[in-house]
Amino acid sequence: GAGVSQSPSNKVTEKGKDVELRCDPISGHTALYWYRQRLGQGLEFLIYFQGNSAPDKSGLPSDRFSAERTGESVSTLTIQRTQQEDSAVYLCASSLGAGSYGYTFGSGTRLTVV
Amino acid sequence: GIQVEQSPPDLILQEGANSTLRCNFSDSVNNLQWFHQNPWGQLINLFYIPSGTKQNGRLSATTVATERYSLLYISSSQTTDSGVYFCAVVGSGGSYIPTFGRGTSLIVHP
Repeated sequence: GAGVSQSPSNKVTEKGKDVELRCDPISGHTALYWYRQRLGQGLEFLIYFQGNSAPDKSGLPSDRFSAERTGESVSTLTIQRTQQEDSAVYLCASSLGAGSYGYTFGSGTRLTVV
Repeated sequence: GIQVEQSPPDLILQEGANSTLRCNFSDSVNNLQWFHQNPWGQLINLFYIPSGTKQNGRLSATTVATERYSLLYISSSQTTDSGVYFCAVVGSGGSYIPTFGRGTSLIVHP
């Protein structure tokens, strides 16, 4: 597609429920990143995918968070047993490759846990 | 990992004023980008500028990689320039993960 697409744009869920967030990167972009942004804060790295290599999961805050990506296509970020502190905007970005390429962000998913 | 510091943290301008935002980084970089996050939360690419100077309309940016800093210039500011400006870098030390500064929050008053 023309840009990075994320869905849903907004999600309200009850504490303890599981949620799944989706990111559709720009076609041909091999690198994909997930970030979290709490209200009024900067961007916190979560996970990075590059082609078929093993993902870099070093930013995932707990084992309730997981993400998958099939090849160079769609990625899903899953949060199990959501907590109120998970409320944030989850942003996805993609780029042509690792390191020396510009990257483009989607519009984000605003998650509210009540 | 690489450290990124942005200054000033907050900036308030009158429409028409010029401003300079700074991004310092602690190590050599392969990648540096400036983003504008508008009041609706969308992150918009401004410049991909690991070195050199670029201009786009009223905005320009310069990165002096040898001295580990980048500057974003906004001239004749408009209310639509309001938002948060982020600098993000990828260090040349082997990590491919962009590290973001804390941002500069800009408010432009009419």
